[in-house]
Amino acid sequence: DVKVTQSSRYLVKRTGEKVFLECVQDMDHENMFWYRQDPGLGLRLIYFSYDVKMKEKGDIPEGYSVSREKKERFSLILESASTNQTSMYLCASSLTGSGSSYEQYFGPGTRLTVT
Amino acid sequence: AQTVTQSQPEMSVQEAETVTLSCTYDTSESDYYLFWYKQPPSRQMILVIRQEAYKQQNATENRFSVNFQKAAKSFSLKISDSQLGDAAMYFCAYSFRGATNKLIFGTGTLLAVQP
Repeated sequence: DVKVTQSSRYLVKRTGEKVFLECVQDMDHENMFWYRQDPGLGLRLIYFSYDVKMKEKGDIPEGYSVSREKKERFSLILESASTNQTSMYLCASSLTGSGSSYEQYFGPGTRLTVT
Repeated sequence: AQTVTQSQPEMSVQEAETVTLSCTYDTSESDYYLFWYKQPPSRQMILVIRQEAYKQQNATENRFSVNFQKAAKSFSLKISDSQLGDAAMYFCAYSFRGATNKLIFGTGTLLAVQP
């Protein structure tokens, strides 16, 4: 059974703190993604990675960075958390392949509150 | 730029009835994929159904079917014989070949199922 896990379901941090959100998948997927979910805005892509140590910016990368040192793990880093980063963060993974679009598998999400 | 629009923020259906969720998209690509994802309350997002743009036949998965109108750039989801477990946020999403499986999401439709 496919599985994507995220390190925390709920997280409360203070403004200015450095925040790490961890995501692990056990499906040997090449692609991993970080999304932010806000009411009325849907899911917006922050960053994605298509291989170890490879990353690309998504639509809203400002204020975030990522790290992928191992294939199964993709970390999202908030260098200096701000209140406007209060949100639900979703991690996903998928296979890659020429000529096809594979299903993305999602983690349970981390609800981050920055005070 | 590709966009996905869901014009119904909320919908309601009686148990055992049929409901249709709307989605339109904008793209200049000819080869792409469309998805409906379901996010139950406090649970992980899962894929409901997928449509390849080159296939004229509408996709069907049990009680879930789509009406894919390529020329009109419309991709609606029909849920037949609605069940209480169908209550969820539904997201329409788009991906095109060569996009490393990146998804562009709509803003979502919250479906309530009345007993």
